[in-house]
Amino acid sequence: QEQLQESGPGLVQPSETLSLTCTVSGGSISGHYWGWMRQPPGKALECIGYIYYSGSTNYNPSLKSRVTISVDTSKNQFSLKLNSVTAADTAVYYCARYGVRGSRYLWFDSWGQGALVTVSS
Amino acid sequence: DIVLTQSPATLSLSPGERATLSCRASQSVGSYLAWYQQKPGQPHRLLIYDASNRATGIPARFSGSGSGTDFTLTISSLEPEDFAVYFCQQRGNWPDTFGQGTKLEIK
Repeated sequence: QEQLQESGPGLVQPSETLSLTCTVSGGSISGHYWGWMRQPPGKALECIGYIYYSGSTNYNPSLKSRVTISVDTSKNQFSLKLNSVTAADTAVYYCARYGVRGSRYLWFDSWGQGALVTVSS
Repeated sequence: DIVLTQSPATLSLSPGERATLSCRASQSVGSYLAWYQQKPGQPHRLLIYDASNRATGIPARFSGSGSGTDFTLTISSLEPEDFAVYFCQQRGNWPDTFGQGTKLEIK
């Protein structure tokens, strides 16, 4: 059973860079698309973006200027960097695998447990 | 961005009863909608994709329907393990968006 685990600092200073890593165990990162989402307190999940194992990416236009998603196939990991953070970036951050093929799109079939990141001084 | 509105916010039912959850999109997403189950301390679980296809291992009591802007998740006869939060996701227009969730609680 494939498992995903988010890791990184739980507290980030305003204006700094939020960095998270998702480690994939029990399966290979190769051949799949991988995504990052976040859920601010009391709000709906928000899609941040996704990456193919080869490195191609697609970002939410609302975050595109501040986001970088990268992949390290040798470590079976992919990562998220969000710069110039503010309190509005406080959220539970999730990584997930697009593993189910629908008629046109892939859907998430494996999720991490989520990592709370608080932006505060 | 497409807004997904789920209703009701909370649904109180008893085991054995039928649950009907709604997800309405601010514009058409075709049939590109999924439903997930969220329980504390557990990863989110894909239930339904492409509006009506059950994911692998999902019991037949879960069914999805709808297209365009109106979608429904139905649980035909609630089991104790079904009490959780359910949310929808659309992939018809980028960026993908999610509903705010319906909490299904024991009455």
